[in-house]
Amino acid sequence: EPEVTQTPSHQVTQMGQEVILRCVPISNHLYFYWYRQILGQKVEFLVSFYNNEISEKSEIFDDQFSVERPDGSNFTLKIRSTKLEDSAMYFCASQGQDTYEQYFGPGTRLTVT
Amino acid sequence: RKEVEQDPGPFNVPEGATVAFNCTYSNSASQSFFWYRQDCRKEPKLLMSVYSSGNEDGRFTAQLNRASQYISLLIRDSKLSDSATYLCVVDSGGGADGLTFGKGTHLIIQP
Repeated sequence: EPEVTQTPSHQVTQMGQEVILRCVPISNHLYFYWYRQILGQKVEFLVSFYNNEISEKSEIFDDQFSVERPDGSNFTLKIRSTKLEDSAMYFCASQGQDTYEQYFGPGTRLTVT
Repeated sequence: RKEVEQDPGPFNVPEGATVAFNCTYSNSASQSFFWYRQDCRKEPKLLMSVYSSGNEDGRFTAQLNRASQYISLLIRDSKLSDSATYLCVVDSGGGADGLTFGKGTHLIIQP
């Protein structure tokens, strides 16, 4: 069964550093998402991406965040200057054309020290 | 962004019992509704979509009441493997939009 994959599984970085989180969505899916989940809290929407552009973003997704689909398979989330409060689990999700169901990757645990 | 409210639990239920969860959502424009399950430190996994007519998948039954903005999930003949956090999830009403998650209801099935 096709699945969303994410790398790395765990990233440790120092405050102020840039990180890039990578996702490979399900191959025939057209809609891509990033979510985050701070430990013990609910899953929160960050951004959605369709047709090579952002279609929606939340108030969390400020200027330090950016997304890119650099090639036909990868979908990346860049955090330009990490803060302690960026420590969270970051999930990528993808969705096919004929459904509203989103499928999540295993996540990247980001720890900012 | 609108909210989804759930009873956090935990619900401690003996194996074989029937358990029901509810949630309410505040965005009347929401069009798509889902139950996901999440195991500890894992990703949300889609359990089932929820349709206005109600739907069943094996031991799981989901119901939607649009007028009351209320969604339910019933699990029959619960198994130890059903122990997880159940997330009530709705869209924002705009098609392929980001999802709004509830905080989840924690279910513990006891042998």
